[in-house]
Amino acid sequence: DQQVKQNSPSLSVQEGRISILNCDYTNSMFDYFLWYKKYPAEGPTFLISISSIKDKNEDGRFTVFLNKSAKHLSLHIVPSQPGDSAVYFCAARGTGANNLFFGTGTRLTVIP
Amino acid sequence: NAGVMQNPRHLVRRRGQEARLRCSPMKGHSHVYWYRQLPEEGLKFMVYLQKENIIDESGMPKERFSAEFPKEGPSILRIQQVVRGDSAAYFCASSPRQGADYGYTFGSGTRLTVV
Repeated sequence: DQQVKQNSPSLSVQEGRISILNCDYTNSMFDYFLWYKKYPAEGPTFLISISSIKDKNEDGRFTVFLNKSAKHLSLHIVPSQPGDSAVYFCAARGTGANNLFFGTGTRLTVIP
Repeated sequence: NAGVMQNPRHLVRRRGQEARLRCSPMKGHSHVYWYRQLPEEGLKFMVYLQKENIIDESGMPKERFSAEFPKEGPSILRIQQVVRGDSAAYFCASSPRQGADYGYTFGSGTRLTVV
């Protein structure tokens, strides 16, 4: 019962172009969404988040969009840089919950 | 200025042995979360602890797994009588307060291999 889904296991993008990573969820009780970035042999690093009362949150090159009616969120990275190459995990949390539900990750490769 | 420290980084155990995974949270953080990542899967929540208390263990397998966070010292995730299916990366995260509104901090993980 994967409640958070990342259907693209991998994505390759040319340096300087936009990277768009997608995430879908099934639980309408989720009210907070996060993106994590993970390098090999390291733990996930928090990147950006969005509350369900918003539809967009921006932080530098990173923007997260939330479409509640479609239960869909996306992470945009522009311009993409080779250092952005990593696995990106989408995560979601229910109201007052202690735990996060993670997607299976998308491996982003930015080609110089 | 150390982050979340986990040790060992790699742990090999034979079937039937015990595995002990340690997690020292960031300074000032009294909330600890354990997650497990099986191969080709995302991270799955196991347990949430505060000092000397288990707050939420809804993700812990019912048998062989236990966790503690004593008043002094690191949090320990203990797996008794390990089986091959326990092979995974175990991540610990900490936060200064309850909830994950800003994304808590993860350690680098312990990779357990059961042979």
